[in-house]
This record gives sequence, structure tokens and C-alpha cells, in this order.
Amino acid sequence: KAGVTQTPRYLIKTRGQQVTLSCSPISGHRSVSWYQQTPGQGLQFLFEYFSETQRNKGNFPGRFSGRQFSNSRSEMNVSTLELGDSALYLCASSLVGFGYTFGSGTRLTVV
Amino acid sequence: AQRVTQPEKLLSVFKGAPVELKCNYSYSGSPELFWYVQYSRQRLQLLLRHISRESIKGFTADLNKGETSFHLKKPFAQEEDSAMYYCALSPGGSNYKLTFGKGTLLTVNP
Repeated sequence: KAGVTQTPRYLIKTRGQQVTLSCSPISGHRSVSWYQQTPGQGLQFLFEYFSETQRNKGNFPGRFSGRQFSNSRSEMNVSTLELGDSALYLCASSLVGFGYTFGSGTRLTVV
Repeated sequence: AQRVTQPEKLLSVFKGAPVELKCNYSYSGSPELFWYVQYSRQRLQLLLRHISRESIKGFTADLNKGETSFHLKKPFAQEEDSAMYYCALSPGGSNYKLTFGKGTLLTVNP
């Protein structure tokens, strides 16, 4: 059974650019969540999607957005990148009543 | 607001010694509590959920609602237990937001 797949693994972007990250959940999992991991702030919740609807949102600026497609795949977009957006972005998928399975993450570096 | 506190950033023990990683939480309702582990160069993995009350790799954790704690314990630590451990809280129901503690880096020395 394939795990949660995130692409790309690494990204280098310039300040002011925008970026799109992709996440394919485990087959059958309809909930997809996104987290930002940094050395200073640790793991912080960005948002969660279920059946193409955003159900929960963390305390991040509007530059951070996401969406979920009918096949449960999800994308996360960050516009007008800032240096502080450099982080590991993790995606997790879940089946109702069970725990969350995380992907390996996308390492974003903003220069 | 929900908050998870892991008071120890670093914990070092010798092989065979007992280990306890502390986790305290703040939440007004009845949350779900989890322990996640991240081994070197590996993805974050679910170790335990409080509602399943199971033991994984010799680790156990008991939810103490009175003390709002969910400490992780193992009677005899092994070198392969060396990893970063995160305690996490979810409000439960349809709220899938996980709030993580800052993590405890466990080192088991030979």
C-alpha cells in the first residue's frame, strides 16, 4: 500500500515568487492536512481538506492557500514568498477514526 | 486554545534504563492524544494513540485527565529508540487539526 507522496522533495525559490506543492494521500483517505515545520516554531498546522472542502485552517497569512481535488490529491500554494517561508512542508492523510500518516515532506528554501 | 508542552528538549539515557518522555496539554474538551516519532532521515510516524491503549515497540502512554498529561514510557530503552518524539493533540470529532509539542530528542547511549 503506497504511503503519502509529496512532490517535489526539494525546491529553491526567490523572494516574491510563488510555489505550488503537491500531495497524494493514501488511497481511500479523504482527509488531507498540511503542516509547516521549522527549527524555531516546530510543527504548525496550516489547513485541512476533506472531500474538496477546507474544514480547518491554522493561523497563517492569506498567502498560504490550498485545495483538494476529487481524487483527494491536494495542492498547497504560497504566493509572494518571503525568506521566513523556508521550511519543511508536510502533508498528512487520514481515514476517519484512525491516526494521521505523514509524507516525507517538501523542503522549500527561499533565497 | 489548545497547547502541548514537552518540557525536555533533550533526554539522554543508557541502554536498558527506563525512559519517560513528558507531555502536558491544555484543552477544555476531550481531546485525542498522540505520540509521533521521527527517526533520523525518516518521516514522521505515528507511535501511539491514547484511544487504542496499545503498546508499540515497548512504549506505553496513559492519558491522565486530572493532570492533563500523556507521558510516554518504556521500561528498558534500546539504542534504536534514539529519535525525536513529538506529542500531539487533536480536538477530535471532525476537527483534524493536530497541535504538536516542540519535541524531545531522545538519545540512548550504549
